[in-house]
Amino acid sequence: EDQVTQSPEALRLQEGESSSLNCSYTVSGLRGLFWYRQDPGKGPEFLFTLYSAGEEKEKERLKATLTKKESFLHITAPKPEDSATYLCAVLNAGNMLTFGGGTRLMVKP
Amino acid sequence: DVKVTQSSRYLVKRTGEKVFLECVQDMDHENMFWYRQDPGLGLRLIYFSYDVKMKEKGDIPEGYSVSREKKERFSLILESASTNQTSMYLCASRSGDTQYFGPGTRLTVL
Repeated sequence: EDQVTQSPEALRLQEGESSSLNCSYTVSGLRGLFWYRQDPGKGPEFLFTLYSAGEEKEKERLKATLTKKESFLHITAPKPEDSATYLCAVLNAGNMLTFGGGTRLMVKP
Repeated sequence: DVKVTQSSRYLVKRTGEKVFLECVQDMDHENMFWYRQDPGLGLRLIYFSYDVKMKEKGDIPEGYSVSREKKERFSLILESASTNQTSMYLCASRSGDTQYFGPGTRLTVL
């Protein structure tokens, strides 16, 4: 059974304080790893797809990286508007998507 | 831009009522999904569909059914709503490997 574990569950940062969110996974035949952002009361918003170890993707203050066992979402100089829950998910060889529990990020001004 | 819409943002129903949640995508995607999201349990797959009139059970199909009469529309049906079906319901549509989500429906069953 595929498993996705995100840590920490919650993270408080000061504005400008860079940090990383972790997503550890076990999956039967990784087809892709996905990062989403979810604001309270809304649906997840797609951020990145990573397909192979060593791959990196960037968008504004966010950078996602992938190894064979985990992915990191690095947040550089975060702003209060980056506050959200960040979800990680893996797609297996059978085309099934498994989500992690998410990391709730709070950025204080 | 991928657009997935859901018929209601908030819904309040009574125990025993039949509830319809509708999802529409405008990108001609074949694959559509229904999830529920609960605190501490994350996103759980209820049903999915690979094409018109096709449906597959996800991890928690009990108490739910679905309908896909047209490619762009995927409906989730609660045959007889119960209080333990109070949840956030999320519809998704897939393009390539990526699932794109709608805004969600917060359903409360009293």
